Amino acid sequence: QSVLTQPPSTSGTPGQRVTISCSGSSSNIGSRYVYWYQQVPGTAPKVLIYRNNQRPSGVPDRFSGSKSGTSASLAISGLRSEDEADYFCAAWDDNLNELVFGTGTKVTVL
Amino acid sequence: QLQLQESGPGLVRPSETLSLTCIVSGGSISPSRYYWGWIRQPPGEGLEWIGGISYTENTYYNPSLKSRVTISVDMSRTQFSLKLYSVTAADTAVYYCARGGDLDYMDVWGKGTTVTVSS
Repeated sequence: QSVLTQPPSTSGTPGQRVTISCSGSSSNIGSRYVYWYQQVPGTAPKVLIYRNNQRPSGVPDRFSGSKSGTSASLAISGLRSEDEADYFCAAWDDNLNELVFGTGTKVTVL
Repeated sequence: QLQLQESGPGLVRPSETLSLTCIVSGGSISPSRYYWGWIRQPPGEGLEWIGGISYTENTYYNPSLKSRVTISVDMSRTQFSLKLYSVTAADTAVYYCARGGDLDYMDVWGKGTTVTVSS
């Protein structure tokens, strides 16, 4: 059972902005960097955001990350059909002494 | 461009040892400042970190799996391995190997390999 909680699903129409929340605690998000991964079904996860709000080269600026206290968010603006995927947050947990992943959020483009 | 590729048997019998190798191409495991890790994903479920090994060969394991896991680097420094002992059906998953910019940041992933534990 994951210690990082995400909504199971969210949806939007093309061009819309959607946000995905990731709720944790002081031992993970509250004191550590947050990472976001995108996983298209049947493929490996791909990093979208590292160190809370940094985008690797090649990731469109439509994707943005933020963190406040023990929660983090991923925003996708200008939603596109290819954004339909599962999204996971991740952070190191100092109490568990392991890398923990969020429960995952499925984004559907209507 | 760095690429990772998992290899190993797709079927393992219960109570036996799951052994996977991650072949690194387009780069080398060392000398480097990176971590090299394993993550798995049971069917229809989320991601679970198994553990990692640093370029100095320090190992880090998920506490819930620590008693059954060994991660090591091959002497050729072009591949690293995962061994999971005494497997059960609960270990059935897609197993990914990955490079970590830090222990908590996986920036390059393999495509994954499906391992089924069944008699």
